Amino acid sequence: EADIYQTPRYLVIGTGKKITLECSQTMGHDKMYWYQQDPGMELHLIHYSYGVNSTEKGDLSSESTVSRIRTEHFPLTLESARPSHTSQYLCASSERGGPYNEQFFGPGTRLTVL
Amino acid sequence: GQNIDQPTEMTATEGAIVQINCTYQTSGFNGLFWYQQHAGEAPTFLSYNVLDGLEEKGRFSSFLSRSKGYSYLLLKELQMKDSASYLCAVGRNTGFQKLVFGTGTRLLVSP
Repeated sequence: EADIYQTPRYLVIGTGKKITLECSQTMGHDKMYWYQQDPGMELHLIHYSYGVNSTEKGDLSSESTVSRIRTEHFPLTLESARPSHTSQYLCASSERGGPYNEQFFGPGTRLTVL
Repeated sequence: GQNIDQPTEMTATEGAIVQINCTYQTSGFNGLFWYQQHAGEAPTFLSYNVLDGLEEKGRFSSFLSRSKGYSYLLLKELQMKDSASYLCAVGRNTGFQKLVFGTGTRLLVSP
């Protein structure tokens, strides 16, 4: 059973607010990821991390930022939310090393910006 | 770039067998994954293929042909709870193992 958590599960917020989406995993995984998924659409990688103090931009450009100060924690921040940020955000993690890299997903945060 | 194609929707009846196809074009191929995603929930891992051939795991099997850029997921003895989206994802090794996802196939299992 994967142990990866995201809070909040649902968030409705007004334009211009700063928000932080939390993601934590208790599996000791080095690699962590953030995906964005619109309804009926594919997951798009927006950020990833090799480990502590490592963060990289993903394949889809995003105005969000991430940090990785602790292995288990990978929060995503939007400084000024806009309606175009409305989407589902999924966090995932995987072990370091080897070609086989099953990713374990958190339950997601559904963000609505009014 | 990469391109992953799978059907948008499929329907089947309980107890039947269904095959969900996925074709892909990518560089740095490093395995093909299938995930299941129920509506509003996180994707969960189903299978992984890196070599050509069939991998069987209970009611689910997955096949890969690297030369054809083709995979399928076979679901046997369908159950109502199998109604979900099935995501084909290609692993790419570009210095960091990434997954590139298709749009998913929404499977509806009816009684």
